Amino acid sequence: EVQLVQSGTEVKKPGESLRISCQGSGYSFTSNWIAWVRQMPGKGLEWMGTIFPGDSDTRYNPSFEGQVTISADESISSAYLQWRSLRASDTAIYYCARLNTRSYEHWGQGTLVTVSS
Amino acid sequence: QSVLTQPPSASGTPGQRVTISCSGSSSNIGNNNVNWYQQLPRTAPKLLIYSNDRRPSGVPDRFSGSKSGASASLAISGLQSEDEADYYCATWDDSLNGLYVFGSGTKVTVL
Repeated sequence: EVQLVQSGTEVKKPGESLRISCQGSGYSFTSNWIAWVRQMPGKGLEWMGTIFPGDSDTRYNPSFEGQVTISADESISSAYLQWRSLRASDTAIYYCARLNTRSYEHWGQGTLVTVSS
Repeated sequence: QSVLTQPPSASGTPGQRVTISCSGSSSNIGNNNVNWYQQLPRTAPKLLIYSNDRRPSGVPDRFSGSKSGASASLAISGLQSEDEADYYCATWDDSLNGLYVFGSGTKVTVL
């Protein structure tokens, strides 16, 4: 069974750094693109970017490029989303999702990130 | 502002048929397959329809998708209370360097 398990809820202050994770199991982690999707409070879904763990090829939505870093560690079947300096506007739920047949069939449970002073 | 336009809301009584539209352009829906996602309250999105009209295993055949030109639609027949959720269309956009784009989302209410 394919599973994506994300790291837990984070509460941070503005200016702090953060890395959240998404661990895949039940399939060959290096064979499928993993994307990160943002959902701000009460809002819709936004595709942030994606990584192919097999060769770390990474693509970003221009709206997020330079604001976050997407990475992966195939040795532990994990993908990451990282911020160097958080802002209050980064408060959201972040989902990882696995691409298959050009659709996102499997999703992580989501990680709530709250940034507040 | 999403490049894929959906109505913000739709509603129906149990047993009715509800249709949700998704309007795009030649660079996205017009040239790529459409997927639909269902997001129940406080849960992660779930793939409902892929490649315009295909259902993943386990999705009831009450849900159906179609595409024509630069528009797509999702139909829910025999509406049930558990269908109350947010629904998003999504596809790839060739003009945005191959980005994946979601529609603005439609809240379906079962009256």
